[in-house]
Amino acid sequence: QVTLKESGPVLVKPTETLTLTCTVSGFSLSNVRMGVSWIRQPPGKALEWLGNIYSNDGESYSSSMKSRLSISKDTSKSQVVLTMTDMDPVDTATYYCAQIDRWFGDFDSWGQGTLVTVSS
Amino acid sequence: EIVLTQSPGTLSLSPGERATLSCRASQSVTSGYLTWYQQKPGQAPRLLIYGVSTRATGIPDRFSGSGSGTDFTLTITRLEPEDFAVYYCQQYVRSPTFGQGTRLEIK
Repeated sequence: QVTLKESGPVLVKPTETLTLTCTVSGFSLSNVRMGVSWIRQPPGKALEWLGNIYSNDGESYSSSMKSRLSISKDTSKSQVVLTMTDMDPVDTATYYCAQIDRWFGDFDSWGQGTLVTVSS
Repeated sequence: EIVLTQSPGTLSLSPGERATLSCRASQSVTSGYLTWYQQKPGQAPRLLIYGVSTRATGIPDRFSGSGSGTDFTLTITRLEPEDFAVYYCQQYVRSPTFGQGTRLEIK
């Protein structure tokens, strides 16, 4: 059974850097077919893809967010880390990590999400 | 970036009725990677349909997907009370994008 769980701060101040960790189980981060993505959802709004990481061909990022994002992984710990710089109140959202299947381009399994509020 | 436009924004129906949700892409989804998700309040999205028309594991056969190119449809026959939720389509050609969602509410 695949599970993903996000962890990190619930509150960050404007201009600070957000670091979130996704801990996965039920699959390996060295799996060449499956990757991990970060997706966010502002309250009452739609889903927004942020970026992916796969085992063998690195990371890809949303073009609109690329300058602020970094995604890395620690395969031995089964963890994927999202770093987002220069946080703003408009970045207040629930942040999800999800398993992505490169064969079909879909997000198979999702974490429960973590609400991050940006406020001074 | 491919923009997905879902319609209607809100669909009001009764249990037992048929729901038809539309997803239109700004460019052809040439990869065939068109996916549908269901999201209930306070929950993460759940995968329903991938590859345009393949139901995910455990998804009842009252859910079906169809379409090609730029026009895609999610159909739910015989609505059950647990089907009332928000539905999102998503594509992956060069980078993933989501539609803005259709809210399916009880009439």
